Amino acid sequence: KQEVTQIPAALSVPEGENLVLNCSFTDSAIYNLQWFRQDPGKGLTSLLLIQSSQREQTSGRLNASLDKSSGRSTLYIAASQPGDSATYLCAVLADYKLSFGAGTTVTVRA
Amino acid sequence: GAVVSQHPSRVICKSGTSVKIECRSLDFQATTMFWYRQFPKQSLMLMATSNEGSKATYEQGVEKDKFLINHASLTLSTLTVTSAHPEDSSFYICSASPPSGLTSTDTQYFGPGTRLTVL
Repeated sequence: KQEVTQIPAALSVPEGENLVLNCSFTDSAIYNLQWFRQDPGKGLTSLLLIQSSQREQTSGRLNASLDKSSGRSTLYIAASQPGDSATYLCAVLADYKLSFGAGTTVTVRA
Repeated sequence: GAVVSQHPSRVICKSGTSVKIECRSLDFQATTMFWYRQFPKQSLMLMATSNEGSKATYEQGVEKDKFLINHASLTLSTLTVTSAHPEDSSFYICSASPPSGLTSTDTQYFGPGTRLTVL
């Protein structure tokens, strides 16, 4: 069974600092990995999707890397802003199912 | 972009009653829809996968007689929580995948979620 772990569970940084969020998964036979953002009491917004054959994806201030063989992904958010405060979830797709981590809750202090 | 809606966004009911949650794909046909449950501070857990016109496939540990899923059309799936109890209180999220060719079949589009509180 695929297990997805996110570390740290929570993170608080001053505005302008770069964020590093980690995700690990136990079974490397994945199709892709996605990073999502979830605001309190809301649904999910897809941020980045990395296919298993790719090493990284970038969108604006966000960059995600994938090392499938070691079962790790890292989400980097540059120059954090208070609006980046949210919970970030990573999920891996395998056997047509998404397995999610518990998320990292980020607070960016103004 | 692809939009998925859920209704209601929030529901409070008494123990023993049944609650129906709707999930709609607004601008695409969803051959497959997924239902997830999320408890506070925990990850989303897949409950079941439904394909239009066929019975849903439930994950291990999910009671199919308690969580009834119907995917009667390519744009609508419903989850009915039967005889709800306080332990069923949770955040329920659906997602939908469009058919291959319209966009990546790897992509699931998520609804905004439904907060269920059972008193």
